Amino acid sequence: RKEVEQDPGPFNVPEGATVAFNCTYSNSASQSFFWYRQDCRKEPKLLMSVYSSGNEDGRFTAQLNRASQYISLLIRDSKLSDSATYLCVVMGDGSSNTGKLIFGQGTTLQVKP
Amino acid sequence: NAGVTQTPKFQVLKTGQSMTLQCAQDMNHEYMSWYRQDPGMGLRLIHYSVGAGITDQGEVPNGYNVSRSTTEDFPLRLLSAAPSQTSVYFCASSYRDRDTYGYTFGSGTRLTVV
Repeated sequence: RKEVEQDPGPFNVPEGATVAFNCTYSNSASQSFFWYRQDCRKEPKLLMSVYSSGNEDGRFTAQLNRASQYISLLIRDSKLSDSATYLCVVMGDGSSNTGKLIFGQGTTLQVKP
Repeated sequence: NAGVTQTPKFQVLKTGQSMTLQCAQDMNHEYMSWYRQDPGMGLRLIHYSVGAGITDQGEVPNGYNVSRSTTEDFPLRLLSAAPSQTSVYFCASSYRDRDTYGYTFGSGTRLTVV
């Protein structure tokens, strides 16, 4: 079983749509959670951190459910520029906090005009 | 401020050749790491370092060596290249502030082994 699992998609949505991505992680001792964005053939870039209380950044909302070991990302009012791969990332394994990142395989979003 | 610089950006190797992928950061970050990304696999950790002189293995270390003689540099050595090492390699560095980390990734090295 992969440590971090995502539906690879692709998700094809029209402009203006709301789309949600989900992610599950296997290590209950994981300490920090993130969503990264990766454009084609580019490096990953941090989109937002994910907190238990949920957090929002403009059109993006992230939530964490530690009991279910589940992370989500909601994108409202999708733009063409949101087309990318979204990576679910988990940090920490309960031992000494070495800051290692564990990546999901990514979910591809294609926003159509 | 250059951030994380990886060289080369592209490389083609023949099976059995050796080479070093360079990674340098100018942010005085303690943590540095190397990942590889294959289609449908996400990024997988090869080796990482929590400070100068300290390195450790990640998920897929076989066939790779690293060293960390300075804070700034974290080269990745391929000892004898194999087609299975064809991949995109990303170097990353991170600061640590208590339990908070801030990662910066390099732009990647696209390696093909023929």
